[in-house]
Amino acid sequence: ILNVEQSPQSLHVQEGDSTNFTCSFPSSNFYALHWYRWETAKSPEALFVMTLNGDEKKKGRISATLNTKEGYSYLYIKGSQPEDSATYLCASPQGAQKLVFGQGTRLTINP
Amino acid sequence: NAGVMQNPRHLVRRRGQEARLRCSPMKGHSHVYWYRQLPEEGLKFMVYLQKENIIDESGMPKERFSAEFPKEGPSILRIQQVVRGDSAAYFCASSPQTGLESGELFFGEGSRLTVL
Repeated sequence: ILNVEQSPQSLHVQEGDSTNFTCSFPSSNFYALHWYRWETAKSPEALFVMTLNGDEKKKGRISATLNTKEGYSYLYIKGSQPEDSATYLCASPQGAQKLVFGQGTRLTINP
Repeated sequence: NAGVMQNPRHLVRRRGQEARLRCSPMKGHSHVYWYRQLPEEGLKFMVYLQKENIIDESGMPKERFSAEFPKEGPSILRIQQVVRGDSAAYFCASSPQTGLESGELFFGEGSRLTVL
């Protein structure tokens, strides 16, 4: 059974501050690591799909790193804005067919 | 809007009735996934389908739940004889032919089932 764990479960950050949170996953039989952003009352939207150990991806103020050997990924948000408030999900495929999600980190940006 | 379309968005059923949830994937996507979100829980995989085939149904409850993705028309998740514990948000996602190691899932906005 593949367990994808995220920490912390929730996070409150002051506007303008930078923050990061963690996704851990079993490192054996690794295929890929997905990050999604899920705003309230909307659908999850993909941020990154990462496959290579040491890879770093960036989209605006959001970036992610990947360590497949030790089984973790970090998501960073630089200079948080209120619109960054959302739940951030990571997920890893079990085999090539089933994407298993973590519980998510609920981020709230305080103005 | 060429996104993943789910309907109905909200569905209320009494115990013992049937619920049918529909999902039209993005144009050109032949892979459909159903996930369930129970209150205060994360997204749990239910089933993965391609056109006319169930590929992985390891997350589906053994009884009362079924899914299909016919050659024509939307994918349907069917819950027979609903019970209160079935109350949840059901999300559909689709992907193109590439695998999950290179392509992300595209999600619909979910169908929220309430069982009275």
